[in-house]
Amino acid sequence: GESVGLHLPTLSVQEGDNSIINCAYSNSASDYFIWYKQESGKGPQFIIDIRSNMDKRQGQRVTVLLNKTVKHLSLQIAATQPGDSAVYFCAENPRGAGYSTLTFGKGTMLLVSP
Amino acid sequence: EAQVTQNPRYLITVTGKKLTVTCSQNMNHEYMSWYRQDPGLGLRQIYYSMNVEVTDKGDVPEGYKVSRKEKRNFPLILESPSPNQTSLYFCASSPRTGYGYTFGSGTRLTVV
Repeated sequence: GESVGLHLPTLSVQEGDNSIINCAYSNSASDYFIWYKQESGKGPQFIIDIRSNMDKRQGQRVTVLLNKTVKHLSLQIAATQPGDSAVYFCAENPRGAGYSTLTFGKGTMLLVSP
Repeated sequence: EAQVTQNPRYLITVTGKKLTVTCSQNMNHEYMSWYRQDPGLGLRQIYYSMNVEVTDKGDVPEGYKVSRKEKRNFPLILESPSPNQTSLYFCASSPRTGYGYTFGSGTRLTVV
């Protein structure tokens, strides 16, 4: 079947570089945001989340930055590895607190060369 | 192991033949949801459920039905599948509002 990676913006980096993947979200009422990673043939996998009362959150090798003023979310991956190659999606909770439904961005494909 | 299990992983069927894709989670999550994923369109929500017997439409509910009779199961029903329902389907669950979903491995459906 056709890959979900087709038609996506692509970021190509070298192993060891830092990667930054950006996402513009649509709803100013959204108060919860998540980044997912999807490898070929697999379901989306949770990476990191952030709530709207925060500007930055760090995990292992990953950092999420939230700019509510311009409705922008970014995922920074430090020391990118070939195993990081995947499609990355941002997701927002567009109805705010009270519902657990997520709206996903179209995704960005990250290609890491050895 | 905590997981969301979908079956089948692959399915080819003919137009109009009713089918059900099963979804089960073993994490005692309240929220469950179905998404379809299509190239160029991303992940779009079909239906979601906030608890047993509580379901609501997502963004693309036409042609689909769901039920939530038990907390752990959330089957997706296509009463009369059509070729435009050929897609990759994901079931997901979440403990409660304000938390991200855990996704299943996907069901690739082809309707001919």
